[in-house]
Amino acid sequence: QQQVKQSPQSLIVQKGGISIINCAYENTAFDYFPWYQQFPGKGPALLIAIRPDVSEKKEGRFTISFNKSAKQFSLHIMDSQPGDSATYFCAARRNAGNMLTFGGGTRLMVKP
Amino acid sequence: GAGVSQSPSNKVTEKGKDVELRCDPISGHTALYWYRQSLGQGLEFLIYFQGNSAPDKSGLPSDRFSAERTGGSVSTLTIQRTQQEDSAVYLCASSFPPGRGELFFGEGSRLTVL
Repeated sequence: QQQVKQSPQSLIVQKGGISIINCAYENTAFDYFPWYQQFPGKGPALLIAIRPDVSEKKEGRFTISFNKSAKQFSLHIMDSQPGDSATYFCAARRNAGNMLTFGGGTRLMVKP
Repeated sequence: GAGVSQSPSNKVTEKGKDVELRCDPISGHTALYWYRQSLGQGLEFLIYFQGNSAPDKSGLPSDRFSAERTGGSVSTLTIQRTQQEDSAVYLCASSFPPGRGELFFGEGSRLTVL
């Protein structure tokens, strides 16, 4: 069964701290791993993505770490800001198509 | 605007009624998806259209749910004989052909079944 497990469900971080969200998958046919950010009342929007041939990708304060052997990947938000408060979803795409399987989401709150 | 447009943004209906939700994808995007987001939950895949291919309906939860896409553009998700457990936000997304990666989501249609 295609499944992506995400943790924690909620996270509270102080401004300036590091936010870490973890995901694990089962299907080795997944070949693309994006993270989406969703603000209340809005649809999810692509934040950053990685392919399994690299172990890390960094864009500004956001970094994805990928461990292919463990079938795990994580999002790190450095110097977290109150404006980062949102729900974050990891996802995985099977190489046969473009349909994404999403994790359950993490509600992040960054306290000023 | 140039984004994915969904309507209505909010729909309140009585149990047993039929509802239609509309999605207007980004021009040029050949792939269209419907996802469901229940309160505090993740995104549940419902259906996927790609060009003229037969849609992937594997995520539809029951035969009360159906969707069509006319002319390769606008899509309508229909829920017949609505139940309270159908209450959720229904999200539509579109993308370029498979392999291009990014899905662009609309703001969703919030359905409340009383």
